[in-house]
Amino acid sequence: DTGVSQDPRHKITKRGQNVTFRCDPISEHNRLYWYRQTLGQGPEFLTYFQNEAQLEKSRLLSDRFSAERPKGSFSTLEIQRTEQGDSAMYLCASSSLGGRDEQYFGPGTRLTVT
Amino acid sequence: AQKITQTQPGMFVQEKEAVTLDCTYDTSDQSYGLFWYKQPSSGEMIFLIYQGSYDEQNATEGRYSLNFQKARKSANLVISASQLGDSAMYFCAMRGFIQGAQKLVFGQGTRLTINP
Repeated sequence: DTGVSQDPRHKITKRGQNVTFRCDPISEHNRLYWYRQTLGQGPEFLTYFQNEAQLEKSRLLSDRFSAERPKGSFSTLEIQRTEQGDSAMYLCASSSLGGRDEQYFGPGTRLTVT
Repeated sequence: AQKITQTQPGMFVQEKEAVTLDCTYDTSDQSYGLFWYKQPSSGEMIFLIYQGSYDEQNATEGRYSLNFQKARKSANLVISASQLGDSAMYFCAMRGFIQGAQKLVFGQGTRLTINP
């Protein structure tokens, strides 16, 4: 069991550019989540997948944000036309259906928009 | 709507002492789960302990225990015999179990510093 992995770990981009992040969940987990965490705050929910279906989206997820999980395994989060306010840590988590369903987090991708 | 409140921005304790981190919650759900996570400076969120709303006994995981007081809507984390490696941010979170409510709602966290 290799845990949740995220790539890249750090991304610096200029305002207006598009960025894409990848998350690989724990292999047997069918639920995958994206959160955003700004400095000094707790993580905020962005979106959630069960297998390949995107079942829940936060209003924080503006039209510039899109997430996919095409084959029910890895997921990508794309931000188009980045803004300075998008600078944050983007965390991915996964869990398995049933039981207490605790979420296991990856190391995060830190985005800096200059 | 669910809400988590952590009223201690920072805590400082001596190594080997026990420490209690406060967490209160608000929800109209009858069935819910409460979680504690640790976030070291590296940034990764580490799951520590879970308490279900219908669990009759307080959860324990090694040096971690959860003091669950349902009527007061509190779920405090107790760390016994603190160690230097316990220095980190600690987040309390909750999740409802109604259909579609899979997200975790987090508090603002408490920064714990263990002094040698």
